[in-house]
Amino acid sequence: AQKVTQAQTEISVVEKEDVTLDCVYETRDTTYYLFWYKQPPSGELVFLIRRNSFDEQNEISGRYSWNFQKSTSSFNFTITASQVVDSAVYFCALSEWRAGGYQKVTFGTGTKLQVIP
Amino acid sequence: DADVTQTPRNRITKTGKRIMLECSQTKGHDRMYWYRQDPGLGLRLIYYSFDVKDINKGEISDGYSVSRQAQAKFSLSLESAIPNQTALYFCATSDFGTISTDTQYFGPGTRLTVL
Repeated sequence: AQKVTQAQTEISVVEKEDVTLDCVYETRDTTYYLFWYKQPPSGELVFLIRRNSFDEQNEISGRYSWNFQKSTSSFNFTITASQVVDSAVYFCALSEWRAGGYQKVTFGTGTKLQVIP
Repeated sequence: DADVTQTPRNRITKTGKRIMLECSQTKGHDRMYWYRQDPGLGLRLIYYSFDVKDINKGEISDGYSVSRQAQAKFSLSLESAIPNQTALYFCATSDFGTISTDTQYFGPGTRLTVL
């Protein structure tokens, strides 16, 4: 069964600290996609990154970096030198394809990050 | 202007009332989705549509119906609202093509409260 686990419900860090948000997934498919979304206090969902199952290269975008490891079924997200504006709920999601081209997306329950000034 | 818009942004209604939430997109995407978000449960899929003539149930479709009026518009209805439908509702769109392009983009959400 398709499952995404974000074991950290809430994390608090002091500004400028690094923080890693964990995401562990389960799937029987060999082809799938992983996503991270950010939900700031205003409520909208902002797409951050998509990663396909064939590309295990880590990715860095500014202060954000993602570590994808198929061997441990993890897709962790690190924020370097955190800022107050990073305070949000972060969702990890897994996408699998089904018959008819339907993209089944399963979301984790989210990790609430609070960055304290 | 936002690519995916939802109206209303907030709505308070009473048990038994019929409610319609609307979603419009200017991204030109074929696929549209409705999700609800509840605290501690993440997002759950209610309905999805591949095009105007193709509508499918998601995980939690009971108590909901949808209408795809055009490629750009996808409405969610609660025929007879009940308090446990109080939630944050999101519309999303994605572009059908190769799997590498099928990323979902979300609207700003509609906060619905059923008293």
